[in-house]
Amino acid sequence: RKEVEQDPGPFNVPEGATVAFNCTYSNSASQSFFWYRQDCRKEPKLLMSVYSSGNEDGRFTAQLNRASQYISLLIRDSKLSDSATYLCVVNGGSYIPTFGRGTSLIVHP
Amino acid sequence: EPEVTQTPSHQVTQMGQEVILRCVPISNHLYFYWYRQILGQKVEFLVSFYNNEISEKSEIFDDQFSVERPDGSNFTLKIRSTKLEDSAMYFCASIAMLAGPSTDTQYFGPGTRLTVL
Repeated sequence: RKEVEQDPGPFNVPEGATVAFNCTYSNSASQSFFWYRQDCRKEPKLLMSVYSSGNEDGRFTAQLNRASQYISLLIRDSKLSDSATYLCVVNGGSYIPTFGRGTSLIVHP
Repeated sequence: EPEVTQTPSHQVTQMGQEVILRCVPISNHLYFYWYRQILGQKVEFLVSFYNNEISEKSEIFDDQFSVERPDGSNFTLKIRSTKLEDSAMYFCASIAMLAGPSTDTQYFGPGTRLTVL
């Protein structure tokens, strides 16, 4: 069974903290990887795509380790507005995207 | 910025009734999806659709479900005889298919919350 596993969370951090989420996937044929953000009862919104070893966008850095089948998301200088659920999404060779359960982040003042 | 739209935002129905959920993908997109998310659980893939036919479907997408693209803009999900366990958020998504379905970014609609009583 092809699975995507994420840190259970919730992560409760103060503003300004650095926080990292992990995601492991079981399908070694996976081709592409994404981090989405989902606010309560809203649709997932793309945060970052991860196509090679990693990707950086401002305060957000995603890294991919194909050998260990592992993806991470690092958020630096956390803002209150970063509070959300972060979804790891993995696309296998046959395109059926698999979502992780998500990790909840709560940033407090 | 173009966006995926879905109607209705909330649908309440009686068990055994048929429901049709509607989506308007982004206009130049070619590949469409339906997902569901039961409250508190993960997003689950239902079906993908390309070139007027189903491309992939999951185990969840049984004979009770069907999809259609009746015209050039709408993409619908029909549930023939709803069950209590069909209560969930249903998200539509689309991609442009520039580089292939496994690498393109999916854009999600705001979802339809289906409540089956």
